[in-house]
Amino acid sequence: GAVVSQHPSWVICKSGTSVKIECRSLDFQATTMFWYRQFPKQSLMLMATSNEGSKATYEQGVEKDKFLINHASLTLSTLTVTSAHPEDSSFYICSARGGLAGSYEQYFGPGTRLTVT
Amino acid sequence: AQSVTQLDSQVPVFEEAPVELRCNYSSSVSVYLFWYVQYPNQGLQLLLKYLSGSTLVKGINGFEAEFNKSQTSFHLRKPSVHISDTAEYFCAVSRSTSGTYKYIFGTGTRLKVLA
Repeated sequence: GAVVSQHPSWVICKSGTSVKIECRSLDFQATTMFWYRQFPKQSLMLMATSNEGSKATYEQGVEKDKFLINHASLTLSTLTVTSAHPEDSSFYICSARGGLAGSYEQYFGPGTRLTVT
Repeated sequence: AQSVTQLDSQVPVFEEAPVELRCNYSSSVSVYLFWYVQYPNQGLQLLLKYLSGSTLVKGINGFEAEFNKSQTSFHLRKPSVHISDTAEYFCAVSRSTSGTYKYIFGTGTRLKVLA
């Protein structure tokens, strides 16, 4: 149980275009979802926290107009990277919390590698 | 501010040798601690967690960790490593921020198992 999927697993896009990444909780209802960014050989950096039906809360330094997050249902959150540039190339990982996990634990998706050319 | 410190950025060890990956945290309140493993180009896989109860926690793949409140540590151990254990390991603390529990990750330790 507690499986989180992400789609796509990797994507290449041209500079200036927008890319949408989906995060789904497959077997539980995710009251809260988190989006992380990971640069090569570095740790995960929390970008934002989203609760179903409400606006996302962004961490300091993260551009909310650049990284649009929608948590439309208890099983789906999306991250849209708008007007992507090469510096947005990174590994994006989502996680979800809810169901039997209680308040403390998150379940992680497999990640999406974004390359902007 | 709460932090998580993984002192060793890289740990090389020979196959079948024991290993310890260190994690220290700073906190004055109850903490919930986790160890995750990440293989190249993959997400995080939970190895083990400490929420409450016994301070010795056993996880998957033969890993275990001991919660030491007085030393604010949660070191990860394995008595005999395999080549397949080569990966990045992250320690994380779950703490409440404005009513929402969020993770604080350590910087990671790259375990390289040598034949």
